[in-house]
Amino acid sequence: NAGVTQTPKFRVLKTGQSMTLLCAQDMNHEYMYWYRQDPGMGLRLIHYSVGEGTTAKGEVPDGYNVSRLKKQNFLLGLESAAPSQTSVYFCASRNGYEQYFGPGTRLTVT
Amino acid sequence: QQQVKQSPQSLIVQKGGISIINCAYENTAFDYFPWYQQFPGKGPALLIAIRPDVSEKKEGRFTISFNKSAKQFSLHIMDSQPGDSATYFCAASRGTDKLIFGTGTRLQVFP
Repeated sequence: NAGVTQTPKFRVLKTGQSMTLLCAQDMNHEYMYWYRQDPGMGLRLIHYSVGEGTTAKGEVPDGYNVSRLKKQNFLLGLESAAPSQTSVYFCASRNGYEQYFGPGTRLTVT
Repeated sequence: QQQVKQSPQSLIVQKGGISIINCAYENTAFDYFPWYQQFPGKGPALLIAIRPDVSEKKEGRFTISFNKSAKQFSLHIMDSQPGDSATYFCAASRGTDKLIFGTGTRLQVFP
């Protein structure tokens, strides 16, 4: 039981490049979330999903897209990376009230 | 009405002391109040949580105090240890709706 895993752990992008972050969970959770964490800003919700095939916008969705084609996976895409998207990205899944986080992806956009 | 305000932003405590972190919320529909602990380079991990039907919950050295009328809740770490040095986040939600997080408190415990 690996819990919530994220791929990759680190990535450096140039402005304008695109990439996809992968989140996987093996706990059969319905709800999944993508957050970004910046110094002094706490955890800000980007997008979330309440089940396979569904997605919704969170607090800071601009510049990101998501897909939940399979229940266990939640993908976060950056179509044209900008320096403002330099951050640590966390995925989470939720069962009832308890929410579990992945280890994070550190993304730097130069 | 969706905000959760957390204070202080940083906290320095001596080993053996009591660490206290406070959070305030506005939405009276919130009914789940967890605290998360995050070590550097790791994801946040659920530490302890409380529902509004009780005023206090204790797990080992960690205690949540909840004041429904004041719309405040706090985390108390008794006998603080250097290994408790981490960032702590409070959060709140209405049922299984998305969690609203505070901005975090960086705790440093010195020997």
